[in-house]
Amino acid sequence: TQLLEQSPQFLSIQEGENLTVYCNSSSVFSSLQWYRQEPGEGPVLLVTVVTGGEVKKLKRLTFQFGDARKDSSLHITAAQPGDTGLYLCAGVNAGGTSYGKLTFGQGTILTVHP
Amino acid sequence: GAGVSQSPSNKVTEKGKDVELRCDPISGHTALYWYRQSLGQGLEFLIYFQGNSAPDKSGLPSDRFSAERTGGSVSTLTIQRTQQEDSAVYLCASSLALAGPRGGNTQYFGPGTRLTVL
Repeated sequence: TQLLEQSPQFLSIQEGENLTVYCNSSSVFSSLQWYRQEPGEGPVLLVTVVTGGEVKKLKRLTFQFGDARKDSSLHITAAQPGDTGLYLCAGVNAGGTSYGKLTFGQGTILTVHP
Repeated sequence: GAGVSQSPSNKVTEKGKDVELRCDPISGHTALYWYRQSLGQGLEFLIYFQGNSAPDKSGLPSDRFSAERTGGSVSTLTIQRTQQEDSAVYLCASSLALAGPRGGNTQYFGPGTRLTVL
């Protein structure tokens, strides 16, 4: 069974601070995705990282995929209250009967205080 | 265009009753996925459909859970003889085609059905 360990589970910070969320696994994934979810809504895809060592930037968000494609991180610079939400990482499986299935981490609940 | 819709948005039921949850995917999306999410937690994969067939049912928690998809569109997730541990948000997602290993074919999620079993 593939597992994704996400940390921290909770993060409460002040506006303007930086933060990093980690996603780790003992398994290799073909690619890894990061989602953001707000209360009462489904998750929304932020980014997909595919190549080991890949770094992608989305405004103040920086996503990195580990060289071995087993771990990833999300770094937010100068967090704003609008960044508040549940952040989820999800590993994409390569094939077989698991083809297309996403394996999700437990999520990180981020609260940014004004 | 319209996104993924799910109904009902909330369902409260008594232990032992059967419930049926509905998902309307985005028009033209051939792949459909069901997930379960406990409060503030990650998503647990239940089942996916490619067209009307479900190649992987291994995520269904027990034989009380079943799902079907007809006409390559609407899907229903049925939980028989509900238990309190079934209480969760059930999320449906659809994608244009089956998600590939490089993350292609983005999954678009519905708002979920919050199920409470008393």
